[in-house]
Amino acid sequence: QKEVEQNSGPLSVPEGAIASLNCTYSDRGSQSFFWYRQYSGKSPELIMFIYSNGDKEDGRFTAQLNKASQYVSLLIRDSQPSDSATYLCAVSGTYKYIFGTGTRLKVLA
Amino acid sequence: GAVVSQHPSWVICKSGTSVKIECRSLDFQATTMFWYRQFPKQSLMLMATSNEGSKATYEQGVEKDKFLINHASLTLSTLTVTSAHPEDSSFYICSARSPDQETQYFGPGTRLLVL
Repeated sequence: QKEVEQNSGPLSVPEGAIASLNCTYSDRGSQSFFWYRQYSGKSPELIMFIYSNGDKEDGRFTAQLNKASQYVSLLIRDSQPSDSATYLCAVSGTYKYIFGTGTRLKVLA
Repeated sequence: GAVVSQHPSWVICKSGTSVKIECRSLDFQATTMFWYRQFPKQSLMLMATSNEGSKATYEQGVEKDKFLINHASLTLSTLTVTSAHPEDSSFYICSARSPDQETQYFGPGTRLLVL
């Protein structure tokens, strides 16, 4: 079982819709969770981090964490074509991050 | 915000030569930096964890004598690819751990092409 799992996609949504990206992790002791966005040919950039169960909102982005289910998600409201990218979920381990393989999001104009 | 730079942004070299890549945290001190490699359309692969003032910790399968890492100061880590071969051509990305030890910020990456 992979430590951090994401559906590779592509996930296609129409412009203006809500994009929902999901991630599961295996280490129940994980404490910190991160979402990064990576455009093709570029390095990852941090979008959000979440430590506590529940929702955390930042502009059009909402991160949701459910530690009991070992599940973290990212919602993007009012999706724009510029949101088209690969979204990486990362879970903080003892000394390093464990990254998922990423979900490719396509927002269709 | 936290800014991490890398230099050079891209490099082309001949097979057998060595290439040094610098990673700098510009507005914070980073006791820990990480080096990743990413092949086209593949996920990030952690190569090593670089700790200031001590030896790097390499991931399984990464040759420490081929990928030399030095973290001599709190704002600079270097990765040297020694005796580069075409199969070393890749996108090398560093990241620096924030002072609160929780968040990683990535540099813009270095694209290496070995001919």
